[in-house]
Amino acid sequence: NAGVTQTPKFRVLKTGQSMTLLCAQDMNHEYMYWYRQDPGMGLRLIHYSVGEGTTAKGEVPDGYNVSRLKKQNFLLGLESAAPSQTSVYFCASSYAGLNTEAFFGQGTRLTVV
Amino acid sequence: AQSVSQHNHHVILSEAASLELGCNYSYGGTVNLFWYVQYPGQHLQLLLKYFSGDPLVKGIKGFEAEFIKSKFSFNLRKPSVQWSDTAEYFCAVHGSSNTGKLIFGQGTTLQVKP
Repeated sequence: NAGVTQTPKFRVLKTGQSMTLLCAQDMNHEYMYWYRQDPGMGLRLIHYSVGEGTTAKGEVPDGYNVSRLKKQNFLLGLESAAPSQTSVYFCASSYAGLNTEAFFGQGTRLTVV
Repeated sequence: AQSVSQHNHHVILSEAASLELGCNYSYGGTVNLFWYVQYPGQHLQLLLKYFSGDPLVKGIKGFEAEFIKSKFSFNLRKPSVQWSDTAEYFCAVHGSSNTGKLIFGQGTTLQVKP
């Protein structure tokens, strides 16, 4: 049972390049989330999904897009990377909304130069 | 808007000292409350959670937290910290009418000196 798996673990991008971060969960969870973690800022919600085929904006959605074509996968895309998007990205999933806990992936460290 | 505030950004304690980390949230309805811990280089792990019932909840590794609804607070406590408790601690809230939104505080870095 792998839980929540993020791919890749590390990546360096040049400004303007695009990339997709993959989050996969094998717990049959409905809810999935993408956060970014920056020093002194805690975890800030980028986008989230409450089920297959649905997505919603979080606190800091600008510059990111997401897709949830399959229940087990939640993709985070950066169309044109900027240095301000240098961060550690965490994916999480939960069985439902209220009265359930979220499980986190190991994180992706992204550097944009 | 739903938000979470952690008062202490960086706490330094000696081993065996008592710990209390503050967490306040702003949300008017039913909430779920969480404390997560992130050890250096690792992902977030759940310490404890409050859904309903007894406002004093106990978690792993001797941690506990008390939900005080009138103060919108969910402070984390441990009577005697260990060096291995050195980590970053995050408070989080999920509000009933913000379906799917799990919002985190800024985090508190705890450094325990041996």
